[in-house]
Amino acid sequence: GQNIDQPTEMTATEGAIVQINCTYQTSGFNGLFWYQQHAGEAPTFLSYNVLDGLEEKGRFSSFLSRSKGYSYLLLKELQMKDSASYLCAAPLSNTGKLIFGQGTTLQVKP
Amino acid sequence: GAVVSQHPSRVICKSGTSVKIECRSLDFQATTMFWYRQFPKQSLMLMATSNEGSKATYEQGVEKDKFLINHASLTLSTLTVTSAHPEDSSFYICSAVGGGGNNEQFFGPGTRLTVL
Repeated sequence: GQNIDQPTEMTATEGAIVQINCTYQTSGFNGLFWYQQHAGEAPTFLSYNVLDGLEEKGRFSSFLSRSKGYSYLLLKELQMKDSASYLCAAPLSNTGKLIFGQGTTLQVKP
Repeated sequence: GAVVSQHPSRVICKSGTSVKIECRSLDFQATTMFWYRQFPKQSLMLMATSNEGSKATYEQGVEKDKFLINHASLTLSTLTVTSAHPEDSSFYICSAVGGGGNNEQFFGPGTRLTVL
């Protein structure tokens, strides 16, 4: 079956670095997405990993290990506006469907 | 590019009435659109896959007669919540696949439905 796990909540301090982990079990692998979602808004795309390794995009980086079924999202130089939910999602093979993890609610404190 | 709109953004209706939500891909054609529902402090739950020109495919546990989906064109899908009840109050989000190779879904801004 398909399963994606993330921590429910995390708290970090403004200016710090935070790592949000995601483990997944899917039948077939078609990459892994990370989305950011502010309360009451739709998710916005952050990253897509299909190969192992770290991909950096400004303050946000995403890592993937296919052999371990593991990914993380790394947020550097945290800002208050980074307080949001972060969703890990994996496409089901050949269907286009996305299976979402439960989301990690990140609270950035001053 | 790759903008998806939803209308309305918020709707309040009385119990027993029907509500239609539109999802449009503004600058690309989407053969496939998805409808999600999200309850407070929960993640997105896929309701159905909307395919242009064919019947929608519903996820297990989603009543197809209650949530009517019509994908009339390559840029428009509609979700009608029929005979809405308070437990249908939720945040409904659509997404469209942009045709790129990575199956990236572009999300609409969501529709907040409140059933009184």
